[in-house]
Amino acid sequence: KAGVTQTPRYLIKTRGQQVTLSCSPISGHRSVSWYQQTPGQGLQFLFEYFSETQRNKGNFPGRFSGRQFSNSRSEMNVSTLELGDSALYLCASSFLSRGEQYFGPGTRLTVT
Amino acid sequence: DQQVKQNSPSLSVQEGRISILNCDYTNSMFDYFLWYKKYPAEGPTFLISISSIKDKNEDGRFTVFLNKSAKHLSLHIVPSQPGDSAVYFCAASEKETSGSRLTFGEGTQLTVNP
Repeated sequence: KAGVTQTPRYLIKTRGQQVTLSCSPISGHRSVSWYQQTPGQGLQFLFEYFSETQRNKGNFPGRFSGRQFSNSRSEMNVSTLELGDSALYLCASSFLSRGEQYFGPGTRLTVT
Repeated sequence: DQQVKQNSPSLSVQEGRISILNCDYTNSMFDYFLWYKKYPAEGPTFLISISSIKDKNEDGRFTVFLNKSAKHLSLHIVPSQPGDSAVYFCAASEKETSGSRLTFGEGTQLTVNP
């Protein structure tokens, strides 16, 4: 089975812009979660989607949003980018809503 | 409020010896625990998990121990190999209502010397 894929792998944006990141889960997995990794805060949960519904949301401002499509692919969007949004954004999928999560390689976002 | 803590930022061991990575948690609602390994520029790779109904789980060279009364878990790697050098994260999730939300520790950099 192919693993979790994320596009793009690297992205450079300017403050104030918006960005959309994409994630394709492992075939058959219905749960997709997003995490942000920064040197200061570590790995932090953003949100989880299961069968196109947001089931859980972390402590991030409303500028961070996401969605899931009927084929389980997911996108996350960050609007009005700030310098502090520079991070590695990781997507993870799992078959059930609980259980082992399998991570993609991440998208490295740099905001200048 | 750091609910999952890995107090050792780094650990260095000799090839062939045992590596023991530790993790403490404060949230008594956590009932499922996982260990991940991460190389630079890659996503975390799932290693092993344990449910709170167990106190030990083994998979090849990897064993996870859970001490619920102490709110402590550890990952043992025996024997350690140079390819095991990576950052190791422990993670925890709450009962059913929290879905797939994982809370991660800060990570421990393991270096296995040949």
